[in-house]
Amino acid sequence: EAQVTQNPRYLITVTGKKLTVTCSQNMNHEYMSWYRQDPGLGLRQIYYSMNVEVTDKGDVPEGYKVSRKEKRNFPLILESPSPNQTSLYFCASGLEATRSGEKLFFGSGTQLSVL
Amino acid sequence: QKEVEQDPGPLSVPEGAIVSLNCTYSNSAFQYFMWYRQYSRKGPELLMYTYSSGNKEDGRFTAQVDKSSKYISLFIRDSQPSDSATYLCAMTFLTTDSWGKFQFGAGTQVVVTP
Repeated sequence: EAQVTQNPRYLITVTGKKLTVTCSQNMNHEYMSWYRQDPGLGLRQIYYSMNVEVTDKGDVPEGYKVSRKEKRNFPLILESPSPNQTSLYFCASGLEATRSGEKLFFGSGTQLSVL
Repeated sequence: QKEVEQDPGPLSVPEGAIVSLNCTYSNSAFQYFMWYRQYSRKGPELLMYTYSSGNKEDGRFTAQVDKSSKYISLFIRDSQPSDSATYLCAMTFLTTDSWGKFQFGAGTQVVVTP
């Protein structure tokens, strides 16, 4: 089954404790991206990757890191989480070949709470 | 000012009615427009996409784009309770140097009552 898998689904942590949210896709997609979703603000893009070893900042990259060492995986790293990073996070993947992005596949989300 | 504006709702309609959703945008460089549906506690799923002005139909769904007015719409005919969800508009560019950047609206919550 084609899917984007995020882990964990729920995470409660404390300020300053480094954490990683994993994202994996089994569709051989070149494009992957991370979003955060906050009430009233919709989905905001954090980082995206066009291919292995190629990453770019989205609209809200501050406080986040990403890496793309393999095509299937795109982890999101919070080196020193703060309460304003409490949010619902989504990973997405898509085809790059068409350059149109007509279909982004989203994971089920990770609800992060930073105390 | 956000690049994409969308009324958050909630929008409540009786079963069988037409649901009308819209988004406005400020960046005329957007060329590719999408509508996603998101059920509670789930990831968004693509409903419709288009890159030209005019209408595009897919079953009960019609997407409409007016690039001159920077306005896109989604219509859902014969609405069902299963259409109750949040609907997000999204846009991106088709130029090589901007491909990969997506802008989403805040989402409109729709409730279809039996």
